[in-house]
Amino acid sequence: EGQLVESGGNLVQPGRSLRLSCMASGFTFGDYVMSWVRQAPGKGLEWVGFSRNQARGGTTEYAASVKGRFTISRDDSKSIAYLQMNNLKTEDTAVYYCTRDVPFYYHGSPLPGWYFDLWGRGTLVTVSS
Amino acid sequence: DVQLTQSPAFLSASVGDRVTITCRVSQGISSFLAWYQQKPGRGPKLLIYGASTLPFGVPPRFSGSGSGTEFTLTISSLQPEDFATYFCQQLNSFPLTFGGGTKVEIK
Repeated sequence: EGQLVESGGNLVQPGRSLRLSCMASGFTFGDYVMSWVRQAPGKGLEWVGFSRNQARGGTTEYAASVKGRFTISRDDSKSIAYLQMNNLKTEDTAVYYCTRDVPFYYHGSPLPGWYFDLWGRGTLVTVSS
Repeated sequence: DVQLTQSPAFLSASVGDRVTITCRVSQGISSFLAWYQQKPGRGPKLLIYGASTLPFGVPPRFSGSGSGTEFTLTISSLQPEDFATYFCQQLNSFPLTFGGGTKVEIK
């Protein structure tokens, strides 16, 4: 079925950087698109970004709130996805989840929609001075 | 961005009750909607995708319906393990977005 384990969360000052890791097991990592989703304390879910696997071009997509500051990468040989976070802001404080993404096609739609069929337990990032 | 509005935000119910949660979407998304369940301290769990399809292992008391701009999640007979927060998510376009959540509490 698979498992995702996030790590790297920490307390960090505004303007600093942090890298999160997501280790996958139990499935063929290179076959899947992976996302990061975050949840601020007591709040809802916010999609952060998305890394397509090589078969889908290996490109990325980002939410506007993190574009230019966050970078998603992946090492398929190690089954790990990364989230590099630069110039952190207090509003980036959240639990960060790694997800395995599945395409959904409906009635011949040219492009798939994406939903998240596997989630990790998350890692907490606190941005504070 | 596609906006999702869930109602109610909080719901108090008893074991055995039928519960319905609504997700309204700011633009038509056909059947490109998913539902998740989240319990405290844990990552969300996929309940429904494609508006009405249950993944393997999700109990049949959960069901989803709707298309376009209005969707519902129904729990036919609430069980003790169903007390949690539920989120909808649109799959249609980037950025992928979620509803604000519905917390189901014990009455």
